[in-house]
Amino acid sequence: AQSVTQLDSQVPVFEEAPVELRCNYSSSVSVYLFWYVQYPNQGLQLLLKYLSGSTLVESINGFEAEFNKSQTSFHLRKPSVHISDTAEYFCAVKGGYQKVTFGTGTKLQVIP
Amino acid sequence: EAGVVQSPRYKIIEKKQPVAFWCNPISGHNTLYWYRQNLGQGPELLIRYENEEAVDDSQLPKDRFSAERLKGVDSTLKIQPAELGDSAVYLCASSPPVETQYFGPGTRLLVL
Repeated sequence: AQSVTQLDSQVPVFEEAPVELRCNYSSSVSVYLFWYVQYPNQGLQLLLKYLSGSTLVESINGFEAEFNKSQTSFHLRKPSVHISDTAEYFCAVKGGYQKVTFGTGTKLQVIP
Repeated sequence: EAGVVQSPRYKIIEKKQPVAFWCNPISGHNTLYWYRQNLGQGPELLIRYENEEAVDDSQLPKDRFSAERLKGVDSTLKIQPAELGDSAVYLCASSPPVETQYFGPGTRLLVL
């Protein structure tokens, strides 16, 4: 069985401050890892993904995540957040039999 | 390119009534997923189709939920009869083989 843990349900952070949203997973097989973002009253959008190759992946809006196999983590980071980053962020893992499991989400609240 | 289309966007029904949701995936995507997202939670897979075959329906409450994807393109998810606890957002997603899922905007269901 595979699982995803997002320990922080809410993360408040001041505008222009750095942020890290944590994601840990467990799986008995190799996985693909994803971060999705859900803005208020909108659908899930892919933010970034790790499929293979470089363990550091970046999004177009300044987020990055690093796949750490030994720690089974895929934490999401941004060096300086903006008000528009306020949203809920979901970590997901795709493992055996193409099964996708989502974490419970982390609400990022950027404070002006 | 059009994204995943879902309808209706919102539905309010009384308990014990039937309800159906429709999804049209991105053209060429063989894999289609139905998820349920409860408030404050991550999406939970209900059923996954590879073309017209349901390959993972282990989380689908089969006593009241049913789904079909007859021609391997669009899909319908039905609840009959609906219960209060079915209130949630029902998400449809599609993907080409192996790759990332793309989500529709979801159908927000309220059962009174």
